[in-house]
Amino acid sequence: QQQVKQSPQSLIVQKGGISIINCAYENTAFDYFPWYQQFPGKGPALLIAIRPDVSEKKEGRFTISFNKSAKQFSLHIMDSQPGDSATYFCAASIEGAAGNKLTFGGGTRVLVKP
Amino acid sequence: NAGVTQTPKFQVLKTGQSMTLQCAQDMNHEYMSWYRQDPGMGLRLIHYSVGAGITDQGEVPNGYNVSRSTTEDFPLRLLSAAPSQTSVYFCASSYSSTKRNEQFFGPGTRLTVL
Repeated sequence: QQQVKQSPQSLIVQKGGISIINCAYENTAFDYFPWYQQFPGKGPALLIAIRPDVSEKKEGRFTISFNKSAKQFSLHIMDSQPGDSATYFCAASIEGAAGNKLTFGGGTRVLVKP
Repeated sequence: NAGVTQTPKFQVLKTGQSMTLQCAQDMNHEYMSWYRQDPGMGLRLIHYSVGAGITDQGEVPNGYNVSRSTTEDFPLRLLSAAPSQTSVYFCASSYSSTKRNEQFFGPGTRLTVL
């Protein structure tokens, strides 16, 4: 049973377009929601993160939108570039819980066509 | 800083063989963890450690052992390899084991069990 469900599994977007990835979670105790970016052959790397007391966070072309009542959050990649082609993972954790444990979604493979 | 390092990069085992995947970090991080990555499943936590001498099980611990005798090293042992353990393994570390903070991932070990 996946506590964090991510969709779509893959998407193709034209250069300059908007990529949107959605995640839904079950556990209302989650209070930290990071997104990780992974390039082929590499380990994941933190891209952007949000706490549930904020509805939106923007860093450059990347924006997280958070809907606490719906238990959903999403990543928007504006003006998508070929260099954004990667796999993106949403995740969730609980601050203070024993261990900095992250629960990951299944991942979304993004391909940006030039 | 080398960050999080993992060896080997690739490994092929026969069913029933044992081996140790090595992980080291030079950032004096408190928290270390092991994940496995399988297509469509995201990253699933195998074992984690909140400090030297302290380890605990994650989501999928069966068939794996860990120990943490030093802050820097966190090896993962496969006791008797099975084809179901074919996966890509990532080690990660973070400064705090309780506060929301970035986890740094190693480059991964691709393991095939025949």
